[in-house]
Amino acid sequence: AQKITQTQPGMFVQEKEAVTLDCTYDTSDQSYGLFWYKQPSSGEMIFLIYQGSYDEQNATEGRYSLNFQKARKSANLVISASQLGDSAMYFCAMREEYSSASKIIFGSGTRLSIRP
Amino acid sequence: SAVISQKPSRDICQRGTSLTIQCQVDSQVTMMFWYRQQPGQSLTLIATANQGSEATYESGFVIDKFPISRPNLTFSTLTVSNMSPEDSSIYLCSVGDRLHYEQYFGPGTRLTVT
Repeated sequence: AQKITQTQPGMFVQEKEAVTLDCTYDTSDQSYGLFWYKQPSSGEMIFLIYQGSYDEQNATEGRYSLNFQKARKSANLVISASQLGDSAMYFCAMREEYSSASKIIFGSGTRLSIRP
Repeated sequence: SAVISQKPSRDICQRGTSLTIQCQVDSQVTMMFWYRQQPGQSLTLIATANQGSEATYESGFVIDKFPISRPNLTFSTLTVSNMSPEDSSIYLCSVGDRLHYEQYFGPGTRLTVT
């Protein structure tokens, strides 16, 4: 069965510093996708970045990058030059198979707080 | 990208009553997913709704408690039946993009049961 583990319940980071949010996963599938979502206090789920299991390059989206280490089954999110608006809950998630018809499961989340 | 709306955005309900949450998507999608997020917790999948067939429920969730309808490719409802305070959560619907990998979420319905 697939599983997502986020070991950091909360993190404090100084504004403008880079931050790494940890995520490890477990799956027996060869084809899968990994996601990161941001959830501010408003409750909406904001898609940040996606990495496919066959993608050789690490995904990047603006200040977000995903450090994908397939052999170690880790998919850490790196936020460069953090901003106050980055304060939120961050969820790592996985979908087995590439199909958008497949369900996504979520990790427990990391609450990131940016200090001015 | 898909635009998803949910109604109601929030509600306060008495225990023992039922609430139906609506999810509308601006494009046709094969699968719609319903998630629950209890206070301070992560998202848990309740069920997957495929148009024209019975919803598939995850372990711990049953149709009698969370009946789902999926009458067409752009709409679904989730009913929370015989509510108790433990049902107080955010309920989110989600859809996958048919052509790409993205998974989109609606704004959620904040339910409080008193």
